[in-house]
Order: sequence, then structure tokens, then C-alpha cells
Amino acid sequence: EADIYQTPRYLVIGTGKKITLECSQTMGHDKMYWYQQDPGMELHLIHYSYGVNSTEKGDLSSESTVSRIRTEHFPLTLESARPSHTSQYLCASSAPGTEEYFGPGTRLTVL
Amino acid sequence: GENVEQHPSTLSVQEGDSAVIKCTYSDSASNYFPWYKQELGKRPQLIIDIRSNVGEKKDQRIAVTLNKTAKHFSLHITETQPEDSAVYFCAAPDTGRRALTFGSGTRLQVQP
Repeated sequence: EADIYQTPRYLVIGTGKKITLECSQTMGHDKMYWYQQDPGMELHLIHYSYGVNSTEKGDLSSESTVSRIRTEHFPLTLESARPSHTSQYLCASSAPGTEEYFGPGTRLTVL
Repeated sequence: GENVEQHPSTLSVQEGDSAVIKCTYSDSASNYFPWYKQELGKRPQLIIDIRSNVGEKKDQRIAVTLNKTAKHFSLHITETQPEDSAVYFCAAPDTGRRALTFGSGTRLQVQP
């Protein structure tokens, strides 16, 4: 079934650790996005990609980085996690001119 | 870039009443306006969308209206039910960066 997947769903980690949040989609979409969202609050775009080897920064300043080596895969990396990174991270994808489909999210807690 | 404003931020209605959420946008080139519903602990999901070539679209109890001249669009939910309780987001495309710009969200509470 075509869908968008995120792993892990929950992550609790100590300050200073390097983490990678995984996102994969099987819908063949060229565009992919990462949003940061505190529960029930605004969606903040932190990174997006138009396709392979394309990455752009979004509105919210983020210390994370992304890569897009394969169409279906768009991982997000935090080199050194801090408590201020505690939030939910949502991955999304879309075809041109259509809605964005969201993954189930990763809830990150940095102690 | 696109600027989307959404009102109200919270809305409480009695079961069976109607609810209306309004959004304005700034980019006159925008031509696609989706609405998302996010239930507690879940991902945002598309519930209805409208393109600029129509002024209104309905799907059972929900409808969206678009006024391109005034650059605003609204979500209408009739005969509200407790399961309509959620956060609703409007969005409009930022034609410069080809990504959606989301409103700040409306928390709808339907009281039984």
C-alpha cells in the first residue's frame, strides 16, 4: 500500500547525541518536507526537497540537516541533540500541485 | 512568499451547531487551498480542498468557499458531532518555493 513511513515513532535521547530520523514514501512523489510541530500547535517547515539531490531550508531556523539521495528517502539528522529540540517531527510528500501527505511523526524528547 | 492567517484560534460549539473557520492569503497567484484535520496524537489529514476555478465545494457535512477577489477561504462544518473535535489547518501554496504555507490552526471543541 502506498504510504509514508517514519521511524522511530518515539525517541528519548540524551543531550549531545547524534540522531537520524527516517522518512520513506512509496507514492513516487518528487517533493518531500520536514515539519516541526509541538502537539496541536503550528506546523513549522524546516526542510524541503524538490527531488533527488535537492534540499532547501524552510521557515524555521533549524540545526538539523537533510539529504535526498533517493526519491523515496528523506532522512533528517541532528548532529548534537539539545532539550530545545524536543518536539514532534512530521515528514510529508506531495506530487506537483496536490496536497501534502503526512507521515505518522516522530516524537522526540531530549533530556 | 505566501502569508496565511487563520481565525479563530479556538472554537467551541454545541453538538449539532455549525462551525466556520476563516483564512486569508496574500499571494494572488495561489490556486489551490486544502484543509487538514489533525486529531489528538495523529497526523494531519486532508479533509477537503478547493481550486481557484470554483467558488464552493461540498462533501457531506463539510464545505469550503473561496473568494479570490478578497483572498479568503472558509471551512464550514454543519451538524457538528463530537468526533469533529480536532485542530484544523488551512493552507495555500507558496508559488515561489512550491510548498504549502499553513495557517496557525483552529482548535475546534464540539460539546455533547
